[in-house]
Amino acid sequence: EAGVAQSPRYKIIEKRQSVAFWCNPISGHATLYWYQQILGQGPKLLIQFQNNGVVDDSQLPKDRFSAERLKGVDSTLKIQPAKLEDSAVYLCASRDHRGNTEAFFGQGTRLTVV
Amino acid sequence: SQQGEEDPQALSIQEGENATMNCSYKTSINNLQWYRQNSGRGLVHLILIRSNEREKHSGRLRVTLDTSKKSSSLLITASRAADTASYFCATEGDRDDKIIFGKGTRLHILP
Repeated sequence: EAGVAQSPRYKIIEKRQSVAFWCNPISGHATLYWYQQILGQGPKLLIQFQNNGVVDDSQLPKDRFSAERLKGVDSTLKIQPAKLEDSAVYLCASRDHRGNTEAFFGQGTRLTVV
Repeated sequence: SQQGEEDPQALSIQEGENATMNCSYKTSINNLQWYRQNSGRGLVHLILIRSNEREKHSGRLRVTLDTSKKSSSLLITASRAADTASYFCATEGDRDDKIIFGKGTRLHILP
């Protein structure tokens, strides 16, 4: 089965610019997660979707970050405007809706804000 | 917020030796999962242990879970150079299906 697809793989932008990341989860996976991983740290959950509804976005900096999952399939994460501290790898993961299952991760998008 | 806390933060061992990593967490869980991440790559799921299980094996991996102590350990036996990576524990809470990661253990296998 095809894995989780993310694009772009790398992105360099200047601070105050905007950027968007795209994720295509595994077909049939109802749950989708976006994580931010700063160098040397563990992934931090930003937002979780169940189909096209938001389950949890308590750690999402909503003044600058936004995410959507149209039609319960693909998802986009946007940062506007970007700050230097947003430099990180942004990971997308998807999971079957049933409990006690593993999450499948994409390769991530490495964002550098200069 | 981070749920799991791995120990040690970094570990270097000789090839062929066993590697043990520990994870402590704070709240009630539905399951605990271990993932591996090679440098610059995505996370790969290794093993999932449910809250009602105490031990689980998968190839050279052995995971234990002690819910009374809110802790887990990952043992990699007969380590290989390819095991060099960062290892993360992640917990799924019993009230929601968020998967929360710890800070990770960086494992380096010396030739």
